[in-house]
Formats: sequence, C-alpha cells, structure tokens
Amino acid sequence: NAGVMQNPRHLVRRRGQEARLRCSPMKGHSHVYWYRQLPEEGLKFMVYLQKENIIDESGMPKERFSAEFPKEGPSILRIQQVVRGDSAAYFCASSPGLAGANEQFFGPGTRLTVL
Amino acid sequence: AQSVTQPDIHITVSEGASLELRCNYSYGATPYLFWYVQSPGQGLQLLLKYFSGDTLVQGIKGFEAEFKRSQSSFNLRKPSVHWSDAAEYFCAVGAVGSGNKLVFGAGTILRVKS
Repeated sequence: NAGVMQNPRHLVRRRGQEARLRCSPMKGHSHVYWYRQLPEEGLKFMVYLQKENIIDESGMPKERFSAEFPKEGPSILRIQQVVRGDSAAYFCASSPGLAGANEQFFGPGTRLTVL
Repeated sequence: AQSVTQPDIHITVSEGASLELRCNYSYGATPYLFWYVQSPGQGLQLLLKYFSGDTLVQGIKGFEAEFKRSQSSFNLRKPSVHWSDAAEYFCAVGAVGSGNKLVFGAGTILRVKS
C-alpha cells in the first residue's frame, strides 16, 4: 500500500509565478491536510479537506493561496503570484476518518524555493 | 486554542545514553498526543500516539512516552540512544472539533555523539 505521495518534491519558481503542489492520499483515505514548515520552525496547519469540500481553512493566508480536493484526482495546493516568503516545505497528510482518533500519515513534502 | 511547547531546541546526547525530550501542551480537554520524527529533507514519521487508556505508550524504534495530565506533559524517552536517532522530533496535539488539525511544537533537534 503506497503511502502519501506528493509531487513535485522540489519546485523552483520566480516571484510572481504560480506554484501547484499535488498530493495523493493513501488508498482508502478521504481526508487531506496541508501543513507548511518554514525554515527552522514546526509545521503549521493550513487547510483540511474532504472530497470536494473544504472543511477548515483557518490556517490559509487570505490571499493567493487556495486548495482543492476534487472527486477524482489528487489534492492541489495552489499559490498564485509567489513571493520569497512563500519559500518553505509544504507537507500533505491524509487520514481515513476523523483525525482526532486516527493518526495522520505524512507525505515526503514539496520544497518550494522562490527566487 | 491548543498550543505545544518543546522547550529544548537542541539536545546532544552520547550514543548509548538515555534520552528525554520534553513536551508541554495546552488544551482544555483530553488531547490526542503524538510524537513524530523528521530526518533531514524527509517527511514525518509517527513514533507513537496517545488517545486514551494507559498513560505510558510504547512506540517504534524503542521510544516511549508518558502522558501526565497534572503536568500537561507528554515527554518522549528512550533508554539507549543510537546514532541513527539523530533527527528532529516534533510533539503534536490534536482534538476532534477543532478541524481535526494537528498543532505542532517547534521541534527538538537531537544530535548524537559517538
């Protein structure tokens, strides 16, 4: 059973470009979470999605960031008009149900560098 | 709101020595508690978790952690550290009803001296 998959593993963008990060949850998991890890910091929650629904986006910046988890295909975290401060590692996690009772399984992350 | 404090940013121990990494949390109800390990450039691997029941939980790689409600702590321990344990360790708290998100501490970097 493959784990959580994220691609690309590394992404380089110039300021003003768009970044698209993809996450395929573990088989059978319908809950996806995105976290951001800034250099030398812990992970910070961004958004929690179920299929076709955003459940909690309290950690998402108000502008330029969006996320989706369509009925088919991976979850996408989209960052428009990237700035240097967006440089970070972005981790996706999935769980089979309510994560309070089930652990979240993390992907290897996408490391975004904004030039 | 939940919060997690890992007071030690860096810890260095000799190989074979015992290890304790501290974690304090703030949450109004019984939390779900986790310890994750992250090797450089890698994702997070779950070491152990506490949901309920026995307050001493065993995890992978010889780690254990003890939940102490009175101290709001969930310290991670290992009786004998191996060089391969060098990594960054994150304590996290989760709770149903808060969006099921995990709140992480800032992490503790463990260095192992040979």
